This record gives sequence, structure tokens and C-alpha cells, in this order.
Amino acid sequence: GAGVSQSPSNKVTEKGKDVELRCDPISGHTALYWYRQSLGQGLEFLIYFQGNSAPDKSGLPSDRFSAERTGGSVSTLTIQRTQQEDSAVYLCASSRRTGEMYEQYFGPGTRLTVT
Amino acid sequence: SQQGEEDPQALSIQEGENATMNCSYKTSINNLQWYRQNSGRGLVHLILIRSNEREKHSGRLRVTLDTSKKSSSLLITASRAADTASYFCATVFTGTYKYIFGTGTRLKVLA
Repeated sequence: GAGVSQSPSNKVTEKGKDVELRCDPISGHTALYWYRQSLGQGLEFLIYFQGNSAPDKSGLPSDRFSAERTGGSVSTLTIQRTQQEDSAVYLCASSRRTGEMYEQYFGPGTRLTVT
Repeated sequence: SQQGEEDPQALSIQEGENATMNCSYKTSINNLQWYRQNSGRGLVHLILIRSNEREKHSGRLRVTLDTSKKSSSLLITASRAADTASYFCATVFTGTYKYIFGTGTRLKVLA
């Protein structure tokens, strides 16, 4: 079946503009995760959803970042008033359920460049 | 930093040799996962080891876990050029679903 998809694959935006990143998880996966990866670095956890609920938002870097998930499926990560330090690859992953026993399936990522 | 640490940061070996990379973590865990990343994009799950396991095998992969030292190692035997990638360990804070990934080991296998 189809894997996790993300769009756009690349996004170049000017500093101060808002951007929306989209993630389509694997059908039937109730858990969804967002990560950020700067060049040559590890993954920084941003937020996870169980269904449409996000119990832990502590990983979001600032209040310019927000995320939502509707219908237990598609999720959108929004960055308002982008800054150059927001430049990174944003990765989305889904798993059948939340829980460390379940492997995560990753999308190809969105490479965000803020000029 | 909440991130785990992998070492070495980078490893270059000849095809056919074994590659060993290590991961240290900071929290109590129930299990630990290893992932592989090609070309800075999506990660692929390799193997999961539970906290009550000490060693696990999957094909050419061998993972060990030492909870007393809060460390794990990933061994790739008889490496191939196609194994060239970055490898990350991932843990979860007990009682949460917040994943913590290590900083990664960049493996280069020379043909």
C-alpha cells in the first residue's frame, strides 16, 4: 500500500512569510509524528498525534509553530513568520498506534529553506 | 540535550568488513529502535530490541542492549556499498510517546 507522503517536497520562502507543510499518513495509522532535522543533525521531536489529539506540544520550538490533524488522517504543520533558523527538513511519520512497540514509517520529508 | 549520542559520528570501511556503531541514551526505556536514513530523507525502521532483551539478530544486523550502561550497539556484518547511510537509535521517555533520536552515525562502505 501507499506509504507516508508529504508535500511539498521542497519549499523556499522569504523570511516573515507563513508556510504550511502537509503529511498524509498510512491509512489506518492512528499515530502521527512530526520531526525537524537540520543539516547533518539528528531528528528533533516536534509533536505527536493520537487520533486528532496532540497530548504533548512541548517539542514545538516556539509559538510560531502549530499543528493540527483532522479526521484522524491528514496533518498540517504551520510555521508563521518564518525565520532563517527554521530552515530544515521536516519529517512526518506514522505508526499503527502510539507506543514505543510500534515502528514508525517515515515520509520523504519537506525541505524548507527560508531566505 | 535530550538527544542520545551515537558514536562514532562517522565511519568509513571497506566492503565486506563489519561496522559497529554505538548509542547511549539518558532515560529509562522499555525498548530501543534503530533506523536507517539514506540521503537525508525519510528513515526506515531496522530493528527493535526490548529492555528485557540483551541481543537480537535480523539478517546481517545484530543489536545489543545494556540497560545498566544505558547503551546499545548495532553491528552490520559483511557490509555492502548499499549499506552506506546514516544510522540512528531511538528511545522513548517512559510514560510518554515522545521519541528521542540519537545524533546518528554516518556510515560509508567503500566498494
